[in-house]
Amino acid sequence: SQTIHQWPATLVQPVGSPLSLECTVEGTSNPNLYWYRQAAGRGLQLLFYSVGIGQISSEVPQNLSASRPQDRQFILSSKKLLLSDSGFYLCAWSVGQETQYFGPGTRLLVL
Amino acid sequence: AQSVTQPDIHITVSEGASLELRCNYSYGATPYLFWYVQSPGQGLQLLLKYFSGDTLVQGIKGFEAEFKRSQSSFNLRKPSVHWSDAAEYFCAVGTDKLIFGTGTRLQVFP
Repeated sequence: SQTIHQWPATLVQPVGSPLSLECTVEGTSNPNLYWYRQAAGRGLQLLFYSVGIGQISSEVPQNLSASRPQDRQFILSSKKLLLSDSGFYLCAWSVGQETQYFGPGTRLLVL
Repeated sequence: AQSVTQPDIHITVSEGASLELRCNYSYGATPYLFWYVQSPGQGLQLLLKYFSGDTLVQGIKGFEAEFKRSQSSFNLRKPSVHWSDAAEYFCAVGTDKLIFGTGTRLQVFP
């Protein structure tokens, strides 16, 4: 069966520090991968999605970037965090245009 | 513009009561439709989905949803709510990229 992992689970970072969040999927090949951010009291905002290695589409211009160095690995990064980057970050995968399945999330607090 | 509206931010029900969570959408064509549930600090779990066919779909945990094309709605229902159903519920529409509503927080009183 397929599983999706995210780490770390929780992260507290100072403003201006770099960021790296990792997401890996097991049990499937060539998945579509997604990064979402969930701010308090809001729905989910799609940040990036990828249909293959090295193929990244950005949905919202911002302080973040994404990379997909391996088929089942998706990384969310920032060179310098802002206060507004705080939130709950969720990774998801799908096969083609089918259902998206979500990871457990990473809670990021920027101070 | 494509959008999803969940008009109820917060709903409180008694355990054993029936439940209906509303979802309306605006989309160019008939999209895929989803309901997800999120417990505090957790990821999203799929409750049910509609792609085509029978407009009444059954999901996990006793939930069901009905797609009404004429009303652009996909409301979630449960005949008898359990205390463990307390969570946040998200409606989503789309195909490869999903658009989410802002969620409905469900509180259940004993």
